Amino acid sequence: DAGITQSPRHKVTETGTPVTLRCHQTENHRYMYWYRQDPGHGLRLIHYSYGVKDTDKGEVSDGYSVSRSKTEDFLLTLESATSSQTSVYFCAISESSGAEGYTFGSGTRLTVV
Amino acid sequence: GQSLEQPSEVTAVEGAIVQINCTYQTSGFYGLSWYQQHDGGAPTFLSYNALDGLEETGRFSSFLSRSDSYGYLLLQELQMKDSASYFCALGSSNTGKLIFGQGTTLQVKP
Repeated sequence: DAGITQSPRHKVTETGTPVTLRCHQTENHRYMYWYRQDPGHGLRLIHYSYGVKDTDKGEVSDGYSVSRSKTEDFLLTLESATSSQTSVYFCAISESSGAEGYTFGSGTRLTVV
Repeated sequence: GQSLEQPSEVTAVEGAIVQINCTYQTSGFYGLSWYQQHDGGAPTFLSYNALDGLEETGRFSSFLSRSDSYGYLLLQELQMKDSASYFCALGSSNTGKLIFGQGTTLQVKP
């Protein structure tokens, strides 16, 4: 009922393989964001989107790419996964400029072995 | 750049009042937000301050002073379920980007 879902919820992958995480929303919100969360680092912005095909880099974008071909879907791709990308990944959406608050997805726990 | 600082841990007793501080450095921002996150869960939005002063939402209040580069979250009548991590976040541009602090873990004891 939250209007935002992430898939998969858990994934284990091998170093060097590509991985794509999906964020899907049913709220028709313009803004979408990908964050990673690691102990001691809080939430760090990877990439964000302010419209279809409009994306930009965040604080920790190296090794990641994104695509947004439809309003409802925002994909995060790890081109060649590394162990340092083991993390919990959260997608978030906001209706306006984010000032009124994000709605976060439930997260994807990714382990790179 | 932008940075935020919060205490890493705070402990308080059930029924008490606790204040979680957040200091920041930035050249400009749109507002200060607060989020709550329980273990294993997703962050949830609590409060937002666009202007200086106090915003109240039930047991939670948030305060912002732009001149002091400082804000806080005040939790009253603490309950065990308030044990969680709390993050302050700066709204950095009209694209809605939020830059988060590292979070404060609040432990509420009986």
